[in-house]
Amino acid sequence: GNSVTQMEGPVTLSEEAFLTINCTYTATGYPSLFWYVQYPGEGLQLLLKATKADDKGSNKGFEATYRKETTSFHLEKGSVQVSDSAVYFCALGPNTGNQFYFGTGTSLTVIP
Amino acid sequence: DARVTQTPRDKVTEMGQEVTMRCQPILGHNTVFWYRQTMMQGLELLAYFRNRAPLDDSGMPKDRFSAEMPDATLATLKIQPSEPRDSAVYFCASARETTNSPLHFGNGTRLTVT
Repeated sequence: GNSVTQMEGPVTLSEEAFLTINCTYTATGYPSLFWYVQYPGEGLQLLLKATKADDKGSNKGFEATYRKETTSFHLEKGSVQVSDSAVYFCALGPNTGNQFYFGTGTSLTVIP
Repeated sequence: DARVTQTPRDKVTEMGQEVTMRCQPILGHNTVFWYRQTMMQGLELLAYFRNRAPLDDSGMPKDRFSAEMPDATLATLKIQPSEPRDSAVYFCASARETTNSPLHFGNGTRLTVT
C-alpha cells in the first residue's frame, strides 16, 4: 500500500543554516508529492508540489525534487529564517482513489 | 484566495455533550476530508467524501462519531456523546477530484472535552 516515511524531529537550526528534511514514499503507480507547512494554531498549508518524476517543486526558497529511482522527495532550503519555524509534512497524493497519505511531521525551530 | 472555512474555531464542552463541527469546502471541490490531530497520534484520517457520498469512514469510532454532507457547501462532524479522549484539533480539507490537485485545509476546530 501507499505510505510516507518522514525524518523524525525536532530539528533545531541557527538562522541562515542549510535545511534538509528527508521524505521517502511507497506507492503504486505515479502519485503526486507535496510538502505542507503548519504554523502554530493554523491548518496545513501547501508549500510546494511535484507531479511527476524529476519535477522540482519550489516556493519561498524551499525546493524538493521528485526522485522515482530513490522514492524520495526531500525538502531543502539554503538559508533558513526564524519565520520558517513550523512543522513540515510530506504527503503523497492520490493517483487512484482519493486518499492522501501524510508523514508524521517534522518540527523545525530556527534560532537567531 | 479561496479557503476552507471551519466553525467553531474553539469548543469547550463537558463529557457526554454533543459536539457538532462544520466545514464549508472550497467552491468547486468535490472531495472533502476530516482529520484529527493530536500530539500523540499525529494526523489521523477520520472520513472522506466524494460528491457528498461517504467513501471511507473507517477511521472514525462508529459508536459516537458521524460525518455527513447535507449539501455541497457543508460538511459536518458530530460526536455524541463526547469523551475527554476526543480532545484534539479537527481539520476539514477539500480538493478537486482531478489528478495532481492538492488538498486545502481549514484552520481547524480545537475541541476540549472536560
